[in-house]
Order: sequence, then structure tokens, then C-alpha cells
Amino acid sequence: GAVVSQHPSRVICKSGTSVKIECRSLDFQATTMFWYRQFPKQSLMLMATSNEGSKATYEQGVEKDKFLINHASLTLSTLTVTSAHPEDSSFYICSARGLADIQDTQYFGPGTRLTVL
Amino acid sequence: AQSVTQLDSQVPVFEEAPVELRCNYSSSVSVYLFWYVQYPNQGLQLLLKYLSGSTLVKGINGFEAEFNKSQTSFHLRKPSVHISDTAEYFCAVNGFQKLVFGTGTRLLVSP
Repeated sequence: GAVVSQHPSRVICKSGTSVKIECRSLDFQATTMFWYRQFPKQSLMLMATSNEGSKATYEQGVEKDKFLINHASLTLSTLTVTSAHPEDSSFYICSARGLADIQDTQYFGPGTRLTVL
Repeated sequence: AQSVTQLDSQVPVFEEAPVELRCNYSSSVSVYLFWYVQYPNQGLQLLLKYLSGSTLVKGINGFEAEFNKSQTSFHLRKPSVHISDTAEYFCAVNGFQKLVFGTGTRLLVSP
């Protein structure tokens, strides 16, 4: 149980285009989803927290107009990188927490590697 | 504020040897502690977690960790490692509805 998927696993795009990444909880309802960014050989940096049906809460320094997050249902959250630039190239990981996981147990997706040319 | 320190960025070890990956935390509230493993180009997999109760926590793949409140530590151990344990290991502590991660320790198991 507690499986989280991400799509796509890898994406290459041109500078200036927008890219959407999907995060799905496959066998549980995720009341909260988290989006992280990971640079090579570094730890995970939390970008934002989204609760189903409400606006995402962004961490300090993360541009909300650049990284659009939507959590329209209890099983799906999307991250859209708008007008992507090479510096946005990174590994993006989502995680999800269900109703029963009140002690911050998060289940992670496999990640999406974004390369902006 | 919560924080996590992983003292070793890399730990080399021979196959079948024991290993300990160190983690120290700082928190002003009751803590929940986690160890995650990340294989190359993959997301994180939960190894084990401490929420309450017994301070010795057993996880998957033969790993265990001990919560030590007086030393504010949550070190990860395995009595005999395999080549397949080569990966990045992250310690994390809960902090106001979100996880705070350490910088990670790369475990390198060689034959």
C-alpha cells in the first residue's frame, strides 16, 4: 500500500516553455501533498505544501508564479514549471500524506528529472 | 526550529560488515524521526520511523535505529550490509506539519 506515482519520469524541454508534472496517490487518499526539489548530491528542499481544495503554501524563496501547484482531488496534485529556464533543471519529487498519517509519515513518488535546454 | 545533522557525507564499508549512519536532531517539541533511502534517480523509500514507544525501531531490509533522547540521536544500523545497500540515506525530523531532512549520507558497499 501507500504508492505514489509521478509522471513523466523524465522530461526535456526548451527554454521558455511550460512543463506539467503529475503526482498521484494510487491506493490512498492524500489530503496533503508536498513538492520537493533536489539538486545533484544534495538533500531535498521543500518547495510547497498543498492541501486538497485549497491554495498551496510556498516556502520562503520559492516563486509561486513560477511553480504553479494544483491539488484538485484527493489523489492528484500537479506542479507546473512556467517559462522554464536552464536553472530550473532539477529532480522534482512529490510526496503524499493520507488522513491516517498524522505523524508526518510521507510517501514519496519516484521523481521527475527536468532538463531545460 | 527543528534541524537534523548527518555527520558523515559518505561511509565506505565492505560487504557483510556492520555499519552505522549517524543522525543528530534538534527540536523544541516532541519528535517523530524517520530514515529514508534513495537509490540513484529514484524517489525516497521509508526505511523506518520512530513515533513513540520502544526506542529501538526495526525497519525494512534488516535496518534498525535507536532513538536516544538524552543524546538527541537516531543512528541507523545494519549488522551486515550487502552490495545492494549502496544508496543515499536521509534522516528526517517532523517540524510543524512538514519534514526537515538532513544532508544525506552516501553508503558505499564494496566487495
